Order: sequence, then C-alpha cells, then structure tokens
Amino acid sequence: AQKITQTQPGMFVQEKEAVTLDCTYDTSDQSYGLFWYKQPSSGEMIFLIYQGSYDEQNATEGRYSLNFQKARKSANLVISASQLGDSAMYFCAMREVQRGGNKLTFGGGTRVLVKP
Amino acid sequence: DTGVSQDPRHKITKRGQNVTFRCDPISEHNRLYWYRQTLGQGPEFLTYFQNEAQLEKSRLLSDRFSAERPKGSFSTLEIQRTEQGDSAMYLCASSSGTEEQYFGPGTRLTVT
Repeated sequence: AQKITQTQPGMFVQEKEAVTLDCTYDTSDQSYGLFWYKQPSSGEMIFLIYQGSYDEQNATEGRYSLNFQKARKSANLVISASQLGDSAMYFCAMREVQRGGNKLTFGGGTRVLVKP
Repeated sequence: DTGVSQDPRHKITKRGQNVTFRCDPISEHNRLYWYRQTLGQGPEFLTYFQNEAQLEKSRLLSDRFSAERPKGSFSTLEIQRTEQGDSAMYLCASSSGTEEQYFGPGTRLTVT
C-alpha cells in the first residue's frame, strides 16, 4: 500500500484564490511527522510546513496551513491568496519515527498552475 | 549562501562509466540524506548519515552505489558501472535533528 497518496496530479487555481492540495497517509506508527515541500521548475525542494502527529493545533506558516485530520489520516495543504510564484510541484511527505527511522517518504506530487 | 550545495549540477555519462557526486550540507547540520527522484515522481530515500556514520540504507541502494561522509561534513555518492536506469535527479538534504530536512539543488544524471 502507498504510504503517501496525493490524488490530484494537477490543478489550476486563479491568482489570489485559495487552493487545497490533498494528502492521505498510511502508517501504524503512533509518532510520525508530516511535511509539505514545494519544487519549482528549478528543481530544488523547498520546505513549507510541518505537522507532528501529537500536535493538537493545525500548523500554519504564512500563507500555508495544514489541515490535519488524524482519524482520517489526511494532511491537506491550504495555500491562501495564491500568487503566480506558487506555480510548482507540491509534495507531501511523512517520517515514521518508529518504523521509518529518519527518512522521508514522499507522495507522487501535485502540480499547481496559478493563472493570472 | 549557507544552504545545501551539490556538485555537479548536471552530469552526462556513458553507460558503464563511474560517476561521483558531492554534497556539502548546511555547516551546523550533523544529519545528511541522499534521495533519488525520477521524472514525474517524488523523491525516494537512498541513505542517511549521522555525522560520519551511515545509519540507514535503502534497498534501492544496489551494490553499485556507495556513499561516504568521511569527516562528518561533506558527502559523496558514487555510482559504478552506470546503467540507463540510473538516470535521475540525485538530491541531498541535511538537518540538525529538528524535523525539517533542507534540500540542495540536486545533481541531474543522464546516462547515455
């Protein structure tokens, strides 16, 4: 079974609107971390936001927020007020503290294109 | 710039040749990771160092692949007898023990 599933291969969003990127995960670990990274066409992976499995509050970083629903095993990324520079690939990733050690397991990504 | 750096950024080689990539992590980071990313996919973990010790290796890391971090600073990833299936982006990341891993720009390998 896929550990990280991103069901949206690509999305269009209008500039200044909000967009939600879906991510579901599968783990039996009690302690894990969820991450979102942005990868522009230049190729570098840019860290956006982190949510720990024991964090009760949803993580927020500027225009990024993570909608963490533990019982549903989902960790959706919300980008508010989209900008043209948000056009990129977005990857959801997980670190399983007990089973996975220190590695990150990534999903297949969602390509976002922001339209002016 | 004090981010993760990788060299070279691009490498074209013929099948059967050996290649070596270098990664310089963020200076205060003791953890270093190598990932491989093929076109249209998310990165896949290859190996992990804490200081100079290689603590984790993926099944993806065949006998043709070897990684070192001799002094706990920079790291090298060598691929021997390259195959066309080795064509990918090789990403290095580092962390200080906090959760976030910071990635370098990657080395794009093309095996002809």
